[in-house]
Amino acid sequence: QSVLTQPPSVSGAPGQRVTISCTGSSSNIGAGYDVHWYQQLPGTAPKLLIYGNSNRPSGVPDRFSGSKSGTSASLAITGLQAEDEADYYCQSYDSSLSGFWVFGGGTKLTVL
Amino acid sequence: QVQLQESGPGLVKPSETLSLTCTVSGGSISSYYWSWIRQPAGKGLEWIGRIYTSGSTNYNPSLKSRVTMSVDTSKNQFSLKLSSVTAADTAVYYCARDYCSSTSCYDDTYYFDYWGQGTLVTVSS
Repeated sequence: QSVLTQPPSVSGAPGQRVTISCTGSSSNIGAGYDVHWYQQLPGTAPKLLIYGNSNRPSGVPDRFSGSKSGTSASLAITGLQAEDEADYYCQSYDSSLSGFWVFGGGTKLTVL
Repeated sequence: QVQLQESGPGLVKPSETLSLTCTVSGGSISSYYWSWIRQPAGKGLEWIGRIYTSGSTNYNPSLKSRVTMSVDTSKNQFSLKLSSVTAADTAVYYCARDYCSSTSCYDDTYYFDYWGQGTLVTVSS
């Protein structure tokens, strides 16, 4: 059971727009903490996709965007491409117990 | 370009201690936080803990009693020890750099910008 909740899977056709939600609570996203997103292609290590809720590292296409509101965050992917098929994880900080870094359970994006 | 490489035994017996080392190249290990993250097959990511180059550590509360991290700045390496392992500790273990791009850095503003390729550790007799 992950601290941050993501849908197990989403899908979309090439060229379409999809969104992936990440729902937390008052001890993490709802506390105003930043949300970061990672893309994990099959058999590879996760790669930073979005940091600080909505910022893209250099080299990440502007088809990827992030937002945050209340106790949730979202990753949007526009102009879906076959190469976007991957697992996506959100990550934040949780202040419960002694404080620690938490991930969502991951969302498998399938490009139809 | 910073690169990280995990190393250590791929097979550990139940009740024994898992030991991994992460070697950092292409940059200095100093003045950064470094984390260990694991991923059981077909499952999500779990943050294990982090260490600063001063030796200061933070551990996941669920693993704290079994985790020890250390750093060797002279070798540009940091290490993980996880004691009393069981089959539930079987996973791909990643090392990663914690980074903050803000002028004011707080715990939540850190993210993982560089990752190792990961190493599979199996706990089995």
